[in-house]
Amino acid sequence: DTEVTQTPKHLVMGMTNKKSLKCEQHMGHRAMYWYKQKAKKPPELMFVYSYEKLSINESVPSRFSPECPNSSLLNLHLHALQPEDSALYLCASSQGTVEKLFFGSGTQLSVL
Amino acid sequence: QKEVEQDPGPLSVPEGAIVSLNCTYSNSAFQYFMWYRQYSRKGPELLMYTYSSGNKEDGRFTAQVDKSSKYISLFIRDSQPSDSATYLCAMSPLVGFQKLVFGTGTRLLVSP
Repeated sequence: DTEVTQTPKHLVMGMTNKKSLKCEQHMGHRAMYWYKQKAKKPPELMFVYSYEKLSINESVPSRFSPECPNSSLLNLHLHALQPEDSALYLCASSQGTVEKLFFGSGTQLSVL
Repeated sequence: QKEVEQDPGPLSVPEGAIVSLNCTYSNSAFQYFMWYRQYSRKGPELLMYTYSSGNKEDGRFTAQVDKSSKYISLFIRDSQPSDSATYLCAMSPLVGFQKLVFGTGTRLLVSP
């Protein structure tokens, strides 16, 4: 199994809603990542979890809250988002070295 | 000046053409070089990974790294309409949980 699975694929939410994005991998990878990608832009790193501990937070606003319940799962909790947060949110994982990232298909998020 | 420069395109070629995609970079510390392919509204897929200078071939794809010129290339032989996608170069200075630096991506269109 070489897949990173993200749910949901699409999400529309209002600015007062609370929602969560989910990511799962069964490759035994020890690092998991959240990226944000706007249209026609490269992915931007948000968070890195290494061995289930948060190791990198790229100064992301607190309305984004990551969680790593175990080595296979990664969540991104969303609260009080702004319309400018609309983007493709990508989860990725790696064995332990950043150069071979495996990405999921992403969640296309629209904030109204 | 951006750390990684990549022409956004679009680059339009006929089916069967040889495609050349390129990136230049300014940080001489970069050691690992990657090419990702991204279809519309999907996550990036790792195509090629090279360490330091040299060439690497995988099927119709060849990656070249010229560290003296700070220039990397991806060649696609016998291009197919299914190769139509955005190609992102990415690079990293070290193994480990470092941030990948992405180029902006080149959009490739292969017409039948």
